[in-house]
Amino acid sequence: GNSVTQMEGPVTLSEEAFLTINCTYTATGYPSLFWYVQYPGEGLQLLLKATKADDKGSNKGFEATYRKETTSFHLEKGSVQVSDSAVYFCALTSGSRLTFGEGTQLTVNP
Amino acid sequence: DTAVSQTPKYLVTQMGNDKSIKCEQNLGHDTMYWYKQDSKKFLKIMFSYNNKELIINETVPNRFSPKSPDKAHLNLHINSLELGDSAVYFCASSHDRDLYGYTFGSGTRLTVV
Repeated sequence: GNSVTQMEGPVTLSEEAFLTINCTYTATGYPSLFWYVQYPGEGLQLLLKATKADDKGSNKGFEATYRKETTSFHLEKGSVQVSDSAVYFCALTSGSRLTFGEGTQLTVNP
Repeated sequence: DTAVSQTPKYLVTQMGNDKSIKCEQNLGHDTMYWYKQDSKKFLKIMFSYNNKELIINETVPNRFSPKSPDKAHLNLHINSLELGDSAVYFCASSHDRDLYGYTFGSGTRLTVV
């Protein structure tokens, strides 16, 4: 079945560091891909998305490119801030649902 | 205006009790979901309704029963609560899942003591 694998956390960075959170997927067909962010004590918010191969999703300085050849959708940000500290989830459409990765905890220190 | 609202936000109850969590969305979406998030943040789908019809019913204990009185509401009733039911429960809704993904509520933290 369809699945998503994220890099294990937690990830700890200093402010202004470069961020990469790896995400790879297994899917039949052509799923849409998403990154969601969960701030402490809150629900999940859609961060960015890509609906077809080579699409780049971007929002709030975060980017991810749908790479069909490597079945990946890695999340990147050039300069993280303390306010980016959260849990990040990669997800894909899978039949009648979204299937989520395990989540990656990011902590950014001043 | 809250798009997907859940009540209550926190729920502390004793083992063996029966409790309900309510969810309402004002987005006009036709599909609603319940997810369970465990202590390690792993998200697992439980149920999904499309226009009041059950379309996803994962392997969860039959103590959990969803009810959708109309397409804007999806409630979750839990009978005979157990310690292992302690988790955060998220409601979500979608219109065109492939294009827009889900909109989530802020969650209900259930603690069974």
